[in-house]
Amino acid sequence: DGGITQSPKYLFRKEGQNVTLSCEQNLNHDAMYWYRQDPGQGLRLIYYSQIVNDFQKGDIAEGYSVSREKKESFPLTVTSAQKNPTAFYLCASSPSGSTDTQYFGPGTRLTVL
Amino acid sequence: DQQVKQNSPSLSVQEGRISILNCDYTNSMFDYFLWYKKYPAEGPTFLISISSIKDKNEDGRFTVFLNKSAKHLSLHIVPSQPGDSAVYFCAASSLGGTSYGKLTFGQGTILTVHP
Repeated sequence: DGGITQSPKYLFRKEGQNVTLSCEQNLNHDAMYWYRQDPGQGLRLIYYSQIVNDFQKGDIAEGYSVSREKKESFPLTVTSAQKNPTAFYLCASSPSGSTDTQYFGPGTRLTVL
Repeated sequence: DQQVKQNSPSLSVQEGRISILNCDYTNSMFDYFLWYKKYPAEGPTFLISISSIKDKNEDGRFTVFLNKSAKHLSLHIVPSQPGDSAVYFCAASSLGGTSYGKLTFGQGTILTVHP
């Protein structure tokens, strides 16, 4: 069954700790994306990667880091430098980095205590 | 600077009637538009898209209209069903340049369809 998986569904961390969110896809898509959703707001792009070993900052990259060592994996690290890390994080992928439709994973709710 | 705006935070319609969700954009470089549906605590699901070379695209109960001169698009759902109740996001992108492949989302509209 092809799709995008994000784990865990819910994640709790203490303030000051780094945390890594997992995103895996078996759709053979080249491009992957990380978004953040806050209440009453649309999705905002954190980082995106059009190809393995390459990634670019999105609109709100400060306090986040990513890696793209494998085509199917695009983990996001929320560092202690991120001032408001509590949010719903969504990973997406698309066949290429063009105007192809992006397909989303189920999301991870991160709560920093 | 909100380049994609959904000015109605919520919409309530009766089952069987038409739902019309609106979206405005300001960036004239946008040439591809999408609508996503999202349930709470889940990822958005792609619904329908339209390229700027068209002014209408239809898929079953869902139709998207694009008015380029007004920089406005709308999603029509006919007939509306209670299962359509969700948050609807419009998104836009443009080919080429530094925004290659990047989607810009509106704030979302909560649709409630009453039985």
